[in-house]
Amino acid sequence: TQLLEQSPQFLSIQEGENLTVYCNSSSVFSSLQWYRQEPGEGPVLLVTVVTGGEVKKLKRLTFQFGDARKDSSLHITAAQPGDTGLYLCAGGGNTDKLIFGTGTRLQVFP
Amino acid sequence: NAGVTQTPKFQVLKTGQSMTLQCAQDMNHNSMYWYRQDPGMGLRLIYYSASEGTTDKGEVPNGYNVSRLNKREFSLRLESAAPSQTSVYFCASSEVPRSSYNEQFFGPGTRLTVL
Repeated sequence: TQLLEQSPQFLSIQEGENLTVYCNSSSVFSSLQWYRQEPGEGPVLLVTVVTGGEVKKLKRLTFQFGDARKDSSLHITAAQPGDTGLYLCAGGGNTDKLIFGTGTRLQVFP
Repeated sequence: NAGVTQTPKFQVLKTGQSMTLQCAQDMNHNSMYWYRQDPGMGLRLIYYSASEGTTDKGEVPNGYNVSRLNKREFSLRLESAAPSQTSVYFCASSEVPRSSYNEQFFGPGTRLTVL
């Protein structure tokens, strides 16, 4: 069974701080996606990374796929209250299904 | 375009009652999914449909049935609700197999409580 473990599970920080969220597995994935979910809503796709070592930037968010395609990280620079939410990683393989991580709940205080 | 829509948004059931959760997408996607989300457990796949007319079990299918009514609609039925089925249910769709990476679009969710 493929599993994706995210850490930390909870993160509470002040506006302006930097943070990193990790997504780890013992399995290799052909792609890794990051979603953000706000309270009362469904997850929304942020980015997809597909090549080992790939780095993608989305404004203040930097996503990296591990060289071996078993792990990924999300770094947020100068966090803002609007970044508050649940961050989910999801791994894709050779099937029609995604494997979702356990989630990291981020709270950014003004 | 509405994307993925789900009804109802909230539902309270008594143990043993039945209900159907409805999902529709207007993006002409082939694949549709039903997940449940419980605290600390991320999203767990209940059933999915890779194309119209096909359905397959996911990680936690027991106690649920699904119907892919047509390309747009995918419903989830609880025949005899149990308190363990209290959860938030999400429907999603994707362009797989046209999209290689199965990027999924989610509905707003149905919050179900079983007493």
